[in-house]
Amino acid sequence: NAGVTQTPKFQVLKTGQSMTLQCAQDMNHEYMSWYRQDPGMGLRLIHYSVGAGITDQGEVPNGYNVSRSTTEDFPLRLLSAAPSQTSVYFCASSPHGGLPSYNEQFFGPGTRLTVL
Amino acid sequence: KNEVEQSPQNLTAQEGEFITINCSYSVGISALHWLQQHPGGGIVSLFMLSSGKKKHGRLIATINIQEKHSSLHITASHPRDSAVYICAVRLDQGAQKLVFGQGTRLTINP
Repeated sequence: NAGVTQTPKFQVLKTGQSMTLQCAQDMNHEYMSWYRQDPGMGLRLIHYSVGAGITDQGEVPNGYNVSRSTTEDFPLRLLSAAPSQTSVYFCASSPHGGLPSYNEQFFGPGTRLTVL
Repeated sequence: KNEVEQSPQNLTAQEGEFITINCSYSVGISALHWLQQHPGGGIVSLFMLSSGKKKHGRLIATINIQEKHSSLHITASHPRDSAVYICAVRLDQGAQKLVFGQGTRLTINP
């Protein structure tokens, strides 16, 4: 199994540009989530999904959209990039369809995004 | 004030030393996770615990729910243990998400 994969690994955007961060898992996990990690702060939840067709907002959802059309994929869209969105983004999944905090979470390798 | 506080923020030790990293939280929780973030950025789960103690190899995690405190211990530390160790809690309310500490950067010198 490849586990949780993310693309791209690095990205530089200009303010106002849009892009999609890709996340995929091949473990048939029902729960998937996106976090951002900023210096001096803990990981913060952006959006999450408890299964295909179901998404919900996390702690810092503004400026981001998600969709979950399949169990495997959970892309994160930046609609109009801002410098405040410069961060490292992690996708994670967990098994059993339950709440992530009940189960071990598997993290992707991260995407380092810079918005100029 | 952060709901989850870790100490120390940075820790440097010599190979072989016994390591303790602490996590305190100010809210009611029902479970706590310890994660390890490698120098390359990858994150892996180490433990999830809601009471008592868990051990995996040289790693030991303990939690005291009443005192709102958890510790992660590393015995016979090795340079490959160098990483950022992150504590995260599952709140009693809003159990759909974890709240993360800022992490403790551990460096083990040979």
